[in-house]
Amino acid sequence: SQELEQSPQSLIVQEGKNLTINCTSSKTLYGLYWYKQKYGEGLIFLMMLQKGGEEKSHEKITAKLDEKKQQSSLHITASQPSHAGIYLCGADGGYQLIWGAGTKLIIKP
Amino acid sequence: NAGVMQNPRHLVRRRGQEARLRCSPMKGHSHVYWYRQLPEEGLKFMVYLQKENIIDESGMPKERFSAEFPKEGPSILRIQQVVRGDSAAYFCASSPPKREGYNEQFFGPGTRLTVL
Repeated sequence: SQELEQSPQSLIVQEGKNLTINCTSSKTLYGLYWYKQKYGEGLIFLMMLQKGGEEKSHEKITAKLDEKKQQSSLHITASQPSHAGIYLCGADGGYQLIWGAGTKLIIKP
Repeated sequence: NAGVMQNPRHLVRRRGQEARLRCSPMKGHSHVYWYRQLPEEGLKFMVYLQKENIIDESGMPKERFSAEFPKEGPSILRIQQVVRGDSAAYFCASSPPKREGYNEQFFGPGTRLTVL
């Protein structure tokens, strides 16, 4: 079965600094989804990647899928307090999404 | 267009009681998924339903748990005779009819179940 490993597990970043979160799959990814979760709330869809080498950006967040389609990274530029939360990567597993354990991001003012 | 709605948001039950969690998908969505998130753990798939059909329940515990998505009304996740280990956040997601290669799911705010 497919497994996703996210790193780091948690991250504390000074406001204004850049950061990167990684998601590595044990198998080829046929669809990779990034979501953000705030405590007490549901998951908010950020981006979806499908093709090897694909890169997408939304505001200050950029997600990439490597050429081999086994690793994705999420990069945040000039972090803000609103970026704080848990970032989850999910792989298309047919009917379900298979999830990484999440990366908890804390932004220090 | 309202998002995915779940109720209640918080549910407290004593051991042995029943818990019923409800999920109303987004308008136009006919596919519903239930996930469980245990404290300090990631999301785990439980069940995938379409109207009146269970498509994949491979993630559901064999006993005490059941799910339905009737022709009319919300999807229900039912947990009988709850135990402390059932304490978790239960998330529902919905999606429109599936397109090849797309599995974007829209999540509700979750129901946090606490078993005393």
